[in-house]
Amino acid sequence: DIQMTQSPPSLSASLGDKVTITCQASQNINKYIAWYQQKPGKAPRLLIRYTSTLESGTPSRFSGSGSGRDYSFSISNVESEDIASYYCLQYVNLPNTFGAGTKLELK
Amino acid sequence: QVKLLQSGAALVKPGDSVKMSCKASGYTFTDYIIHWVKQSHGKSLEWIGYINPYSGGTNYNEKFKSKATLTVDKSSSTAYMEFSRLTSEDSAIYYCARFGGNGSPFAYWGQGTLVTVSS
Repeated sequence: DIQMTQSPPSLSASLGDKVTITCQASQNINKYIAWYQQKPGKAPRLLIRYTSTLESGTPSRFSGSGSGRDYSFSISNVESEDIASYYCLQYVNLPNTFGAGTKLELK
Repeated sequence: QVKLLQSGAALVKPGDSVKMSCKASGYTFTDYIIHWVKQSHGKSLEWIGYINPYSGGTNYNEKFKSKATLTVDKSSSTAYMEFSRLTSEDSAIYYCARFGGNGSPFAYWGQGTLVTVSS
């Protein structure tokens, strides 16, 4: 199975900050990484697929990049509605595997 | 629009089984594979497996192979997951999900079914 090492586990930011989350795969995942946002009591919401393609409805302040084993996800100009947990997912191989998650909090 | 409506919360005893449902609407049920994902309290997500509603074919995560059984009822556009020999480790929220039409992974999710295993 491909392991996804996500960091940091938690992040504290002020409104307007830029924050970055990273995921490192245990092997090359050929850009097949997606990023999800999850708010308490809700199902995850897909924000970005294939490393950097924003899903319809995803604000442009969200972005993704990377290749090979190393990927990152950023939010520029953090807004209050961005307070949530974020997860990466590799979907190049089964079983699909998620990162451990990053909880974004307001400073 | 695409909707996945899951069954309600369940409280079950250790050693019992639980069967939960995921009713699809807003698209042709047999056109998309249904996946199941586990989220333990406050923790990350684990892919359990998928079922192809057209063929009935399944693919399981090795970790859940002896635990989960996936089925569908095409007549009611409903997917089911049965979890057997439950322990406290199986207490979690279980989601059904499907890909988007453009290959977006897990673009659509059910609202989740909370399973609590307790004597």
